[in-house]
Amino acid sequence: QTVVTQEPSFSVSPGGTVTLTCGLSSGSVSTSYYPSWYQQTPGQAPRTLIYTTNTRSSGVPDRFSGSILGNKAALTITGAQADDESDYYCALYMGSGTDWVFGGGTKLTVL
Amino acid sequence: EVQLVESGGGLVQPGGSLRLSCGASGFTFSSYWMTWVRQAPGKGLEWVANIKQDGSEKYYVDSVKGRFTISRDNAKNSLYLQMNSLRAEDTAVYYCARTNWWAFDIWGQGTMVTVSS
Repeated sequence: QTVVTQEPSFSVSPGGTVTLTCGLSSGSVSTSYYPSWYQQTPGQAPRTLIYTTNTRSSGVPDRFSGSILGNKAALTITGAQADDESDYYCALYMGSGTDWVFGGGTKLTVL
Repeated sequence: EVQLVESGGGLVQPGGSLRLSCGASGFTFSSYWMTWVRQAPGKGLEWVANIKQDGSEKYYVDSVKGRFTISRDNAKNSLYLQMNSLRAEDTAVYYCARTNWWAFDIWGQGTMVTVSS
């Protein structure tokens, strides 16, 4: 059973930088997992931020960036703003069969 | 405008059935894999099923195999999820999403399914 791990919660000051990570319970995340990142506020549908590790979705500000850091995928928010306060989910592509697995999400607080 | 609109959710008793629909507009529906993702109340996102452009390949998360069936009608620009033998743990908001570049780039607003007696 593949488990995708994310920090349950994180806090950042307005204007600060925060890096959220996405790992595997067993093994390392690489670009071959095509990591993607989604932002969700309560009661709303998810919004796509990043796909194929580091490609920003249309309309996403460049203060959001994706990368591989060590053995994990990472989402970095530079110059955090109040409306960045959301839940952030990563997803990894596992290949055909059980195609995608989401992480448990990170609740980001901006204060 | 690129848009996905789900419908068909509601309250159903355990063991019952429900069929969700997702209408697509603003893009060439037949060119994309499509996916269902669900979110139980207060919980995270869970990939449920996806279907190839022509319907020839379908994949499911283990927990719904044998109970749920994903299908599509490209002539009607519509995606479906037939859910049978529903359980309390299937209670969730169900989102349809366009699959592109190994990610979900367009999401619907979701439809709530509640399984309860």
